[in-house]
Amino acid sequence: DAGVIQSPRHEVTEMGQEVTLRCKPISGHDYLFWYRQTMMRGLELLIYFNNNVPIDDSGMPEDRFSAKMPNASFSTLKIQPSEPRDSAVYFCASSPDRGRYGYTFGSGTRLTVV
Amino acid sequence: AQKVTQAQTEISVVEKEDVTLDCVYETRDTTYYLFWYKQPPSGELVFLIRRNSFDEQNEISGRYSWNFQKSTSSFNFTITASQVVDSAVYFCALIPGGTSYGKLTFGQGTILTVHP
Repeated sequence: DAGVIQSPRHEVTEMGQEVTLRCKPISGHDYLFWYRQTMMRGLELLIYFNNNVPIDDSGMPEDRFSAKMPNASFSTLKIQPSEPRDSAVYFCASSPDRGRYGYTFGSGTRLTVV
Repeated sequence: AQKVTQAQTEISVVEKEDVTLDCVYETRDTTYYLFWYKQPPSGELVFLIRRNSFDEQNEISGRYSWNFQKSTSSFNFTITASQVVDSAVYFCALIPGGTSYGKLTFGQGTILTVHP
């Protein structure tokens, strides 16, 4: 199994530009999670999906952030327009259930907004 | 609400020393799941162990051991005979079993540096 695959690994963009982060979960995992890691706030849950349906997006910081899961093997997190304070590492994770056995995380996308 | 506290922000030891990373959690749920993750300098998050609230048995895996005590709401992690490769950030985390089931809450992490 290839694990959770995220792309790109690094992204540098200018303020105001649209940014799209991508994630391919492990096949058969029904739950997909997006996390953000910053020095100030640590690891925080942004949104999670079950069977491609968003279940809880209470962690999404503002309307500039949106996430979709068009099918079981692909999810995107989009920021439009991006701001310097969005600079962080964004992790995607998947799980066969709601996490009793832990999540498997991707390698993360390091986003820098200049 | 759930909360995980790792009081030690940074720990520095010399190789071969034993080191214990503390974790204290808060939850109102009687069913919950505790985890430790490792984040090496390369940045990925690596799963180390899971423990459910009904299983207080301590666990040992090689040089790693975990002590779960419900009475003190603690889930501490000990590395015996530390090695330079153990240098990483270690996160304790909790998934509650109630209405927030599924939402993994992390502590702030402990930066462990093992010097040769």
